[in-house]
Amino acid sequence: AQSVTQPDARVTVSEGASLQLRCKYSYSGTPYLFWYVQYPRQGLQLLLKYYSGDPVVQGVNGFEAEFSKSNSSFHLRKASVHWSDSAVYFCVLRGNSNNRIFFGDGTQLVVKP
Amino acid sequence: EAAVTQSPRNKVAVTGGKVTLSCNQTNNHNNMYWYRQDTGHGLRLIHYSYGAGSTEKGDIPDGYKASRPSQENFSLILELATPSQTSVYFCASGDVGGGSSAETLYFGSGTRLTVL
Repeated sequence: AQSVTQPDARVTVSEGASLQLRCKYSYSGTPYLFWYVQYPRQGLQLLLKYYSGDPVVQGVNGFEAEFSKSNSSFHLRKASVHWSDSAVYFCVLRGNSNNRIFFGDGTQLVVKP
Repeated sequence: EAAVTQSPRNKVAVTGGKVTLSCNQTNNHNNMYWYRQDTGHGLRLIHYSYGAGSTEKGDIPDGYKASRPSQENFSLILELATPSQTSVYFCASGDVGGGSSAETLYFGSGTRLTVL
């Protein structure tokens, strides 16, 4: 069965600190994986996506994610967070054999000044 | 830049009333989607469309209808609104035809619906 798990509902970090938001997926094949961000009172916006190639994929605003087939993970990272990064981050899975999209429940990131 | 516009931004309805949520996209995308977002449930797919004149049921279609009269417009209709349909609704369009797995979704800003 396909699924996406974001084990951390809320993450708090200090401005300037590094960040990792965790995402674990379940899919038997090679999935398309996405990270979207949702700022308050807005829709979701794409940060980055991965299907094949270099397991580290770069996104907007200094975000990157690393795909690990052995760990079934697609963690999001940023070297130095800014207060404006405070938002909800969604990990999304899409299988390459059907049209189903699976959203994680989201991780709320709070950046303290 | 891809643009998806939803209206209204906020809506208060009465139980049993009819509610229509509208979505317009200027991306010329074939695919459009309606999701609802509730605390503890993430985003759940209600209806989607692969082009003008087509609508498909998503994961939670009960109590909702959809209409895609043109490439640009996709409406979500609640014929008999209930308090359980109080939620935030998002429309999205997708940039790859046929629902390809590589598709990027472009979301509107959402409609906050309260059913009293």
